[in-house]
Amino acid sequence: DARVTQTPRHKVTEMGQEVTMRCQPILGHNTVFWYRQTMMQGLELLAYFRNRAPLDDSGMPKDRFSAEMPDATLATLKIQPSEPRDSAVYFCASGSTGSIPEAFFGQGTRLTVV
Amino acid sequence: AQSVAQPEDQVNVAEGNPLTVKCTYSVSGNPYLFWYVQYPNRGLQFLLKYITGDNLVKGSYGFEAEFNKSQTSFHLKKPSALVSDSALYFCAVRVPHSGGGADGLTFGKGTHLIIQP
Repeated sequence: DARVTQTPRHKVTEMGQEVTMRCQPILGHNTVFWYRQTMMQGLELLAYFRNRAPLDDSGMPKDRFSAEMPDATLATLKIQPSEPRDSAVYFCASGSTGSIPEAFFGQGTRLTVV
Repeated sequence: AQSVAQPEDQVNVAEGNPLTVKCTYSVSGNPYLFWYVQYPNRGLQFLLKYITGDNLVKGSYGFEAEFNKSQTSFHLKKPSALVSDSALYFCAVRVPHSGGGADGLTFGKGTHLIIQP
């Protein structure tokens, strides 16, 4: 059963600490999305990769957030330093270009910064 | 830039009645359109998509959606609502590139669907 796997599922950290969230996309998918979900803003696209190259990270605060794909099986989203306003659920999704353009979502990482 | 509007924050429907969740979009080009559902503390689940062809598309759990190009709408529908359909529903859009691939997936704000017994 192919699925997107995100770790950790929950993270509580103190303000100023570094946070790393990981995502394993579905094998064979060549696009990866990172979204942030909050009550106030809904689903915000933070970054979008195709074939491991970042295509759009305009939704991401550049001073503290960074997104990478070290290889085709791993995407990471880092926040350094973290702030209370970063508290949200972060979703990773993967998909493919071509005839199946829908994206498949992981279960999310619920981040709480205190 | 592409955008999606879901004009209703919440839709209330009695069980057994038909339901409609509205979505309109703004893109330059021909869009791919999607509906997703999110249950509490879960990720988004894909429901259905429109790529090309028949304007009425059918998806999971008895849901369907109608693509209307002139009204730039893609409303989600179901003939008879179930209490278990209560969830948060998202409409989304991508724009395909002529050279292959597609732009990033843009979501609406979401609509809470509440089915009353």
